[in-house]
Amino acid sequence: GNSVTQMEGPVTLSEEAFLTINCTYTATGYPSLFWYVQYPGEGLQLLLKATKADDKGSNKGFEATYRKETTSFHLEKGSVQVSDSAVYFCALTGGGADGLTFGKGTHLIIQP
Amino acid sequence: DAGVIQSPRHEVTEMGQEVTLRCKPISGHNSLFWYRQTMMRGLELLIYFNNNVPIDDSGMPEDRFSAKMPNASFSTLKIQPSEPRDSAVYFCASIRTGGGSQPQHFGDGTRLSIL
Repeated sequence: GNSVTQMEGPVTLSEEAFLTINCTYTATGYPSLFWYVQYPGEGLQLLLKATKADDKGSNKGFEATYRKETTSFHLEKGSVQVSDSAVYFCALTGGGADGLTFGKGTHLIIQP
Repeated sequence: DAGVIQSPRHEVTEMGQEVTLRCKPISGHNSLFWYRQTMMRGLELLIYFNNNVPIDDSGMPEDRFSAKMPNASFSTLKIQPSEPRDSAVYFCASIRTGGGSQPQHFGDGTRLSIL
């Protein structure tokens, strides 16, 4: 079956630091890959997505590249802000109306 | 457009009671998903519907859990009888299928506490 593994948190960084959150996956076929973000007390919001190999998703300064050869979709940001503090989830779906398979989430804390 | 609407936002009840969670998907979306989030297990897919028909309920933990979608604009997740280990945040999500992988849109969740 499908599975997603992402680095455990919490990850604590200083403002303007470089961020990487690792994500690897196991899936049959050609999944679509997503990063969702969850702020305290809220639901999940889509951050970015990629639907095929070598696609790069980007949004709000965050980027992730779909690497089929390493089955990875690592999230990066060049300069984090305090407002980026949240829980980040890597997820995949087989496509169409399939449900999402999520990683356990990475709690990111950015200190001023 | 209104997003996915879930109610109630919070529910506190005693074990053994029946609990009903409600979800209104985004208008025009034809697939609906129920997820459960706990500290121990993270986010888990419970069940999903396509065009109001349950497609996969393999994630439903026990027979105490049931879900219905009587029409395109409403779904319920029911727990009867409820137990303390059912305490979690339950999310509903919806999507319009067809034409590529569209992202799921999530509601704000129902935080359920069973005493």
